[in-house]
Amino acid sequence: NAGVTQTPKFRVLKTGQSMTLLCAQDMNHEYMYWYRQDPGMGLRLIHYSVGEGTTAKGEVPDGYNVSRLKKQNFLLGLESAAPSQTSVYFCASSYGVGQYFGPGTRLTVT
Amino acid sequence: AQSVTQLDSHVSVSEGTPVLLRCNYSSSYSPSLFWYVQHPNKGLQLLLKYTSAATLVKGINGFEAEFKKSETSFHLTKPSAHMSDAAEYFCVVSEGSRGFKTIFGAGTRLFVKA
Repeated sequence: NAGVTQTPKFRVLKTGQSMTLLCAQDMNHEYMYWYRQDPGMGLRLIHYSVGEGTTAKGEVPDGYNVSRLKKQNFLLGLESAAPSQTSVYFCASSYGVGQYFGPGTRLTVT
Repeated sequence: AQSVTQLDSHVSVSEGTPVLLRCNYSSSYSPSLFWYVQHPNKGLQLLLKYTSAATLVKGINGFEAEFKKSETSFHLTKPSAHMSDAAEYFCVVSEGSRGFKTIFGAGTRLFVKA
């Protein structure tokens, strides 16, 4: 099993550009999550999904959209990137207690 | 509302000496508690979890944590530090098993000196 994978690993965007981060898991987990990690702030939940076709807002959802069209994939979109969205983004999935994390995507917005 | 506080942003120990990383939490419900480790430029790996069973929880790589409800603490310990333990550690509290009410601590960076 590959576990949780994320693409791309790195990306540099200019302010106002858009992009989509892809998360895939092969563990048949129902729940999937997107977090951002900023220095000294731990991880903060952006959006999450409790199943295919469903999404919900987390702690810091503004400026992001998500979709879960297939159970194994969870996409995070930035429609108009801002420098404040420079961060490391982690995807996670879970079935019961405890989450499995992907390796992260480092995004820089200039 | 729930919250988690990691009491030290940095901890430095010598190789072979004990490790103590401190975590206090608050929760309105009976929480699940976790410790994750993150090595540089890597994702987070689950070290151990407490889910209302035994209060002393053993995890991977010789780490363990004790849930103390009276003190609202969930400190992480290891008897003897190894150089490979140098990483950032996150204490996490979650209400229920679904994960979307999960709060991460700010992290404690562990340095291990030779």
